[in-house]
Amino acid sequence: DIVMTQSPDSLAVSLGERATINCRSSQSVLYSSNNKNYLAWYQQKPGQPPKLLIYWASTRDSGVPDRFSGSGSGTDFTLTISSLQAEDVAVYYCQQYYSTLHTFGQGTKLEIK
Amino acid sequence: EVQLVESGGGLVQPGGSLRLSCTASGFTFSSYTMTWVRQAPGKGLEWVSYIRSSDGGMFYADSVRGRFTISRDNVKNSLYLQMNSLRDDDTAVYYCAKEGGGAYLTHWGQGTLVTVSS
Repeated sequence: DIVMTQSPDSLAVSLGERATINCRSSQSVLYSSNNKNYLAWYQQKPGQPPKLLIYWASTRDSGVPDRFSGSGSGTDFTLTISSLQAEDVAVYYCQQYYSTLHTFGQGTKLEIK
Repeated sequence: EVQLVESGGGLVQPGGSLRLSCTASGFTFSSYTMTWVRQAPGKGLEWVSYIRSSDGGMFYADSVRGRFTISRDNVKNSLYLQMNSLRDDDTAVYYCAKEGGGAYLTHWGQGTLVTVSS
């Protein structure tokens, strides 16, 4: 199975500042035939189901604010929130869908400093 | 509007069985791969299983393989998860989710709670 490891486990950032969450996969999730990274990011707020933010490592889902961006390739990926808003307090998860067994990272809890 | 509504959760004793259902609306159910994801209380997300739309292929996490069975009824627009030999560590909220153009999960239900306890 592909193991997804996020860092840090928790993060406190001031309003308006940049937040960066990292995700590393135990093997590459880049499919060479189409040059796509099979990596998604989700946001989960308390008491709610997860919400898709980013897929193919860097494509924002419809309606997701442009302060959210995804980057990286192969085994190392980053979710960046360029200017933290109060409503961004949540737990963020990466997920690989490269292998037949899809796996999530352990989550990163983002709070306001 | 895409809607996914899970049902069938509840309290069950260790070793028991439970069948979860997910009723879908707002999209052509038969055309999409569907997934179950669970979340133990206070813990992270765990991918459980998915069933492909194209060929009905089914895949399971190691933690549930041999005990859980995923299925779908494209006439009833429903997804199921038959859970047997339940253990304490199967206690979780179970979400069904719809996949997008790739295997990322574009829409999620609100979840149904399964509690395994004596």
